[in-house]
Amino acid sequence: QKEVEQNSGPLSVPEGAIASLNCTYSDRGSQSFFWYRQYSGKSPELIMSIYSNGDKEDGRFTAQLNKASQYVSLLIRDSQPSDSATYLCAVNGGSNYKLTFGKGTLLTVNP
Amino acid sequence: EPEVTQTPSHQVTQMGQEVILRCVPISNHLYFYWYRQILGQKVEFLVSFYNNEISEKSEIFDDQFSVERPDGSNFTLKIRSTKLEDSAMYFCASNPSTDTQYFGPGTRLTVL
Repeated sequence: QKEVEQNSGPLSVPEGAIASLNCTYSDRGSQSFFWYRQYSGKSPELIMSIYSNGDKEDGRFTAQLNKASQYVSLLIRDSQPSDSATYLCAVNGGSNYKLTFGKGTLLTVNP
Repeated sequence: EPEVTQTPSHQVTQMGQEVILRCVPISNHLYFYWYRQILGQKVEFLVSFYNNEISEKSEIFDDQFSVERPDGSNFTLKIRSTKLEDSAMYFCASNPSTDTQYFGPGTRLTVL
C-alpha cells in the first residue's frame, strides 16, 4: 500500500513569515511529486511539481525533494493570509499517472 | 484558459438511488480520472480512463460504480445504488499524457 504522510497541523504562522510543510512517501519507485492547495469546499489547485532531487523555486514557493530520504517539502516565503488553506502532497509513481495524496496540512496565516 | 467542468455542483439523493456525475475534461487531454474526498479525509483515487477504457481502478471502485465516455467530450461516473458512505466530494481530473493533472471543481454528493 503506497502511503503519503503529512502532519495534519494546523500550522499557524504570522503574516510575512516562512511556512514549512513536509511530506514523506513510502514508495521508492515514485517519480513525480506535487503540491496542491485546497481551500475549504474547493478542488485541489496545483502549486508546484518537482521531479528531481534538490530545490525548485516558483515565486514565493520552493519545493524540495530528497528521494533518498523519501521526503518532499514546500516552503512559502512572505506568507499571506490568502495562503491560508490545506496543502496536499501528492505522489505519482505508477502507470496511468494516478496520484496518491496525503491527508493535507492546514495552514493558517495570521494577519 | 481551458478547464475541467463538472455538473451538478451539488447532488442530493436518497439511499439506493442511482446517480450520474458528469465531467467535461479539457479537450485535448487523453487521461481522465475520478477521485473522491470524504469530508475531513484525504483525496482518494477511484478510477483512471484511457483510450476509451478503464486503465486502472482502486478497491473502492466496486461493481456499483461505472464510468463512461458517451461522446467526445463528456466523462461520467455512475453510482448504481447509493449508500450513506458514498457521501463525499467527487472530483474529475484530466491530463494530456503528462504528470500534471487538472481538477474540476467537484460535485458534492449527499446521500440521505
